[in-house]
Amino acid sequence: TQLLKQSPQFLSIQEGENLTVYCNSSSVFSSLQWYRQEPGEGPVLLVTVVTGGEVKKLKRLTFQFGDARKDSSLHITAAQPGDTGLYLCAGARQAGTALIFGKGTTLSVSS
Amino acid sequence: GAVVSQHPSRVICKSGTSVKIECRSLDFQATTMFWYRQFPKQSLMLMATSNEGSKATYEQGVEKDKFLINHASLTLSTLTVTSAHPEDSSFYICSARGYDRDSNQPQHFGDGTRLSIL
Repeated sequence: TQLLKQSPQFLSIQEGENLTVYCNSSSVFSSLQWYRQEPGEGPVLLVTVVTGGEVKKLKRLTFQFGDARKDSSLHITAAQPGDTGLYLCAGARQAGTALIFGKGTTLSVSS
Repeated sequence: GAVVSQHPSRVICKSGTSVKIECRSLDFQATTMFWYRQFPKQSLMLMATSNEGSKATYEQGVEKDKFLINHASLTLSTLTVTSAHPEDSSFYICSARGYDRDSNQPQHFGDGTRLSIL
């Protein structure tokens, strides 16, 4: 059973387009994190959300945590080729416990 | 920001060899470290949770005798793949989390180790 369902799995878009990646679960999470990973490297933390309904912005990236803390989304505005990579959502069921990862979204932005 | 160093970054060795991978937290004390395995174009799969000074907790299906974990200090955890075989070839990634009152503190990841068993 996949606890965190991430979609879409693959996304190929043109530079300048907007996109949204979703991370959904039937379980409540204490916190949820988004990471970006490039080939051959470890994941790099983008953001942590802990409060239901929380919205955080990181330049062209907007992260939202659902009111019930069961889902999250990542929205990228005006995507650029440099945004290409694997985006991973990961949640902790309880504070201090190991992260559960979604399957990831491979984003390809072409110029 | 917090830095986690993982070494080596790449290992190529013969079948039957044991391989040790180190994970160090460079600017914070990591009470808990995690070891993950990642197959190409897939997400991270948690193998085990390592707490300093105690035995690691392994996820279901992960052989503890195959993947030996030692967390001897607050800045170092090691993963030893014993008698490695080609099916053990994978990308192994560690992460570390420090301790403070904010128990939602995020994990910081090393850059991974690409293990190739011939």
